Amino acid sequence: DIQMTQSPSSVSASVGDRVTITCRASQGISGWLTWYQQKPGKAPNLLIYATSTLQSGVPSRFSGSGSGTDFTLTISSLQPEDFATYYCQQAHSYPLTFGGGTKVEIK
Amino acid sequence: EVQLVESGGGLVQPGGSLTLSCAASGFTFSNYWMTWVRQVPGKGLESVASIKQDGSERNYVDSVKGRFTISRDNAMNSLFLQMNSLRAEDTALYYCVRYSTSSGSLDPWGQGTLVSVSS
Repeated sequence: DIQMTQSPSSVSASVGDRVTITCRASQGISGWLTWYQQKPGKAPNLLIYATSTLQSGVPSRFSGSGSGTDFTLTISSLQPEDFATYYCQQAHSYPLTFGGGTKVEIK
Repeated sequence: EVQLVESGGGLVQPGGSLTLSCAASGFTFSNYWMTWVRQVPGKGLESVASIKQDGSERNYVDSVKGRFTISRDNAMNSLFLQMNSLRAEDTALYYCVRYSTSSGSLDPWGQGTLVSVSS
């Protein structure tokens, strides 16, 4: 199975900060990388798919990049509603696997 | 509106069985792979099983192989997860999720159904 490693596991930031989360795959995944946001008590919500394509309705302050094994989610200017946990997921091969999550907390 | 509604969760003893169901609406169910994803409360996400549109291909995470069976009824727009020989470590919230192979993404997600394995 492909292992997905996210870092950091948590980050404290202030409104307006730029936040970067990284995700590393144990082997190349050819861009099949998706990002989700999850708020407490809610199901995950799709943010970005295919490395960098924003899901409809997702604010443009979210962006994704990367290739091969290394990928990044960037929030350009953190907003109050962005405090949540973020997960990456690979779709290169089954089983689909997720990173361990990054909790974005208020500083 | 695309909607997925899970049911069937509950408390079961170790070694017991449970079947989860997911009712899909708002989209052509037979056109999509479907997946069960679980989450231990407060922990991360794990894809448990996936099934192809016509049921001809199924994939499982190693920890549930031989114990769980994913199936679907396209006529009833329903997805199922038969869980046997349940263990304490299977305790989690189980989500039914539509999987788009064209984008590699899981969307939308149901609200989840809680499975608790305990004596």
